[in-house]
Amino acid sequence: QKEVEQNSGPLSVPEGAIASLNCTYSDRVSQSFFWYRQYSGKSPELIMSIYSNGDKEDGRFTAQLNKASQYVSLLIRDSQPSDSATYLCAVKKEGKLIFGQGTTLQVKP
Amino acid sequence: DTGVSQDPRHKITKRGQNVTFRCDPISEHNRLYWYRQTLGQGPEFLTYFQNEAQLEKSRLLSDRFSAERPKGSFSTLEIQRTEQGDSAMYLCASSSPVGGETQYFGPGTRLLVL
Repeated sequence: QKEVEQNSGPLSVPEGAIASLNCTYSDRVSQSFFWYRQYSGKSPELIMSIYSNGDKEDGRFTAQLNKASQYVSLLIRDSQPSDSATYLCAVKKEGKLIFGQGTTLQVKP
Repeated sequence: DTGVSQDPRHKITKRGQNVTFRCDPISEHNRLYWYRQTLGQGPEFLTYFQNEAQLEKSRLLSDRFSAERPKGSFSTLEIQRTEQGDSAMYLCASSSPVGGETQYFGPGTRLLVL
């Protein structure tokens, strides 16, 4: 079992819709969780961090954390074609980040 | 721009050659990390430094790989006797306790071993 798992996709949504990206992790003691966006050929760019159970909102992005279910998600409201990218879920473990393989999101105009 | 910088951005080398990459972290960031990313995968941890001390090195890292951060500022990653399997994007990130150790990535160095 991988430490951090994501569906590789692609996830395709129409412009203006809500995109829902999911991530599960195996280490129960994990405390810090991150979502990065990565455009093709570029490096990861931080979108959000979340540390407590519940929702955290930042503009069109909402991160959700459920430690009991070991589940993190990212919702993107009013999806735009410019949101088309790979979204990486990362869990901090002993200082370093453990990444999932990423979910590719395609937003169709 | 005061973000993380990496040099070179692209490197093509022949199998068996040595290569060295440089990373300059965000100013005042005391931690510096190296990751490797291959196509279709998430970044994979290689090693990290706190100031000049190398705190952890991945068990997956061959002894052909070595990293230094001699003065606690920039870092270098050297790969000796490169193999085709070393072809990847090498990413550097830095963090600070002030920012909750959130890691910010540089643009990466794309290595192609022929």
